[in-house]
Amino acid sequence: TQLLEQSPQFLSIQEGENLTVYCNSSSVFSSLQWYRQEPGEGPVLLVTVVTGGEVKKLKRLTFQFGDARKDSSLHITAAQPGDTGLYLCAGAGTTSGTYKYIFGTGTRLKVLA
Amino acid sequence: DSGVTQTPKHLITATGQRVTLRCSPRSGDLSVYWYQQSLDQGLQFLIQYYNGEERAKGNILERFSAQQFPDLHSELNLSSLELGDSALYFCASSVVAGWDTGELFFGEGSRLTVL
Repeated sequence: TQLLEQSPQFLSIQEGENLTVYCNSSSVFSSLQWYRQEPGEGPVLLVTVVTGGEVKKLKRLTFQFGDARKDSSLHITAAQPGDTGLYLCAGAGTTSGTYKYIFGTGTRLKVLA
Repeated sequence: DSGVTQTPKHLITATGQRVTLRCSPRSGDLSVYWYQQSLDQGLQFLIQYYNGEERAKGNILERFSAQQFPDLHSELNLSSLELGDSALYFCASSVVAGWDTGELFFGEGSRLTVL
């Protein structure tokens, strides 16, 4: 079974601090996505990474896909209260010819003003 | 606004009852996915339909069923409800059939409370 473990599970930081969220698996994924979910809403796609070693930047957010396409990280620089939310990674791939799309366990971030 | 519409937003019912959740995908999207999100289980994939046909099945209970209609909207039917079925149910849509691109657009969810 493909699993995506995220760490940390919970993170509470002060505005202006930097943080990194990790998404790890023992399986290889053809692509990996990061979503952010705010209370009372559905997850919203932030980025898709498809190439091992790929780095993508979205303003203060930097996403990296591991060289082996088994893990990913999300780094936020100078966090702001608006970054508060649940961050989910999701991996797409095939197992025995069957498509699988799996969400990670989630990281709940709270940025204090 | 993702363009995916779910109704109802909130639903309170009793154990043993049956409910239907409805989803309208983004215009042009052929794939509809259903997910269940609870506090202790995270986001669990239930089932996917592509252009009216079942495409993939996840951890969906036998008491649950879904379908996608010719106009591409989808319904998730939950029957013989139990307390543990209380959760947020999300619908997502995408253009493609497979999950290679993995870009899903989620609705705001239907919160089901079973008393």
